[in-house]
Amino acid sequence: GAVVSQHPSWVICKSGTSVKIECRSLDFQATTMFWYRQFPKQSLMLMATSNEGSKATYEQGVEKDKFLINHASLTLSTLTVTSAHPEDSSFYICSARDPRTSGGATQYFGPGTRLTVL
Amino acid sequence: DAKTTQPTSMDCAEGRAANLPCNHSTISGNEYVYWYRQIHSQGPQYIIHGLKNNETNEMASLIITEDRKSSTLILPHATLRDTAVYYCIVRVDLEAGNMLTFGGGTRLMVKP
Repeated sequence: GAVVSQHPSWVICKSGTSVKIECRSLDFQATTMFWYRQFPKQSLMLMATSNEGSKATYEQGVEKDKFLINHASLTLSTLTVTSAHPEDSSFYICSARDPRTSGGATQYFGPGTRLTVL
Repeated sequence: DAKTTQPTSMDCAEGRAANLPCNHSTISGNEYVYWYRQIHSQGPQYIIHGLKNNETNEMASLIITEDRKSSTLILPHATLRDTAVYYCIVRVDLEAGNMLTFGGGTRLMVKP
């Protein structure tokens, strides 16, 4: 299957700082990428849909000014958590849609980034 | 997208087949059935998907009933490394922007 990478795999930061997470599709071009968040013992919750060359679409309740998404190329999307606070501590996971798959849209996920805000 | 119903948890003996059921009684004709799994502290892993016909790959088999209202994911010879949360998702495949919505999934515990 297709490979999606994320960097960093974990990060610890102080409250008030910003953290950038990168998501890359390694062997395919992804016009659409997705960012999810997962709190302990809960399922994945979609945060936003990232489209190459255009503004991201945020889910209800997700602050677009706090979670900045940039999809500058067909293989890279970034999520920046601005002015992070302890309640932003979570497991952030990206996924990318592989247009080559049957049906046109199988999503492959990155390994996730664990963010801890002190 | 149609809603799915899965058992909260299941156990399976190592080396035996694991059969994970999923009900999707409101599925539409153009909705695919996808299966993903998530091992603890990792991103979800794609397993298999299908529309009408049964599907098989190197990881698993997907059996979809004729009326498409339910499906079963089969891991033919479960190993300890198959212990994970398994998600059944139904979704229309469109050209763009169609995300996956995750429910609670089934926590499969493979025991020695």
